[in-house]
Amino acid sequence: DQQVKQNSPSLSVQEGRISILNCDYTNSMFDYFLWYKKYPAEGPTFLISISSIKDKNEDGRFTVFLNKSAKHLSLHIVPSQPGDSAVYFCAARIYGQNFVFGPGTRLSVLP
Amino acid sequence: KAGVTQTPRYLIKTRGQQVTLSCSPISGHRSVSWYQQTPGQGLQFLFEYFSETQRNKGNFPGRFSGRQFSNSRSEMNVSTLELGDSALYLCASSPGTAANYGYTFGSGTRLTVV
Repeated sequence: DQQVKQNSPSLSVQEGRISILNCDYTNSMFDYFLWYKKYPAEGPTFLISISSIKDKNEDGRFTVFLNKSAKHLSLHIVPSQPGDSAVYFCAARIYGQNFVFGPGTRLSVLP
Repeated sequence: KAGVTQTPRYLIKTRGQQVTLSCSPISGHRSVSWYQQTPGQGLQFLFEYFSETQRNKGNFPGRFSGRQFSNSRSEMNVSTLELGDSALYLCASSPGTAANYGYTFGSGTRLTVV
């Protein structure tokens, strides 16, 4: 039973446009969410987080939105750059437990 | 400061053998977690160690085990290797327990079982 889902295995976006990566979860007990980016042959690197008490968190070109009633979060990248091409993982946790990761979405930003 | 270091980077083993992977966390980090990444499955949690004690364990068979030393370095062992164990094994460290702080990941060990 996959508690964190990323239903789009891949996404292609033109450089300069907005990239929207989606993540759905099933457990309403999740209270903290993270997004990680992963390049080939490297470990995932932390991008941005959001607590369940917020509905938006922004850091430069990256914004994460949380809709608790829909159990949905999304990562917006504006403007998208070729260097953003990577696999993006969302992760969620119940307080005191380890993070559960989604299967990832491969983003390709086309020049 | 140095990041999370995993050794070796690549490993090829034969079915039935055992393997030990090593992870050195960021200096000062006391929590080490291990994840298995396979295509289409994302990152599957194996276990977390904090101050030499296993705090959490994922849903993996007993062939997967680990330990943490007093200097916070951690090892993961897989015995009686199966073809399905071929994966990227990622180690992540955290200042406190991972649940509170999130992770910094290493580059991983790519294990191929033939």
